[in-house]
Amino acid sequence: AQKVTQAQTEISVVEKEDVTLDCVYETRDTTYYLFWYKQPPSGELVFLIRRNSFDEQNEISGRYSWNFQKSTSSFNFTITASQVVDSAVYFCALSINYQLIWGAGTKLIIKP
Amino acid sequence: DAGVIQSPRHEVTEMGQEVTLRCKPISGHNSLFWYRQTMMRGLELLIYFNNNVPIDDSGMPEDRFSAKMPNASFSTLKIQPSEPRDSAVYFCASSLIFPQGALHFGNGTRLTVT
Repeated sequence: AQKVTQAQTEISVVEKEDVTLDCVYETRDTTYYLFWYKQPPSGELVFLIRRNSFDEQNEISGRYSWNFQKSTSSFNFTITASQVVDSAVYFCALSINYQLIWGAGTKLIIKP
Repeated sequence: DAGVIQSPRHEVTEMGQEVTLRCKPISGHNSLFWYRQTMMRGLELLIYFNNNVPIDDSGMPEDRFSAKMPNASFSTLKIQPSEPRDSAVYFCASSLIFPQGALHFGNGTRLTVT
């Protein structure tokens, strides 16, 4: 069965701290795609990154970085030097066999 | 490029009334999704279209809900009759190539049924 687990329901850190959001997925298929989305307090869902199962290279985009490890079925998201504007709910999702399976989301609170 | 456009942004209606939500996907995208989001149930897929054809409607809660996609640039989600438990944020999303491509979401319609 396919599944996405975001074990951290809520994380609260002080601004400028680094924070890592965990995402663990389950699938027996070899071809799949992983995504991260951000939902700020304003409510829209914003696409952040996409990874296919054959590309394990880590990715960095400014203060954001993603660590994809097939050995541990994880696709973790790190924000470096967090800012108040990073406060949001972050969702990890697994796309496979024409299904998109969502994690429950992690609410990230960045305190000034 | 215009993103996914949903209307209305907010809808308040009385129980029993018909509600129609509208969506214009990103031009060229061939997959369209309707999602519902509530605090209790999170994000739920209602229906997914590919090339205007409904592929998966297993998430449509009951016969009160119907969705159409008459052409590549327009879709509607209709609730008739509406009930208070339908109150939620309804998102429309489109994708250039699914499942490989990302979903791009509209800003959502916040529906309140009193």
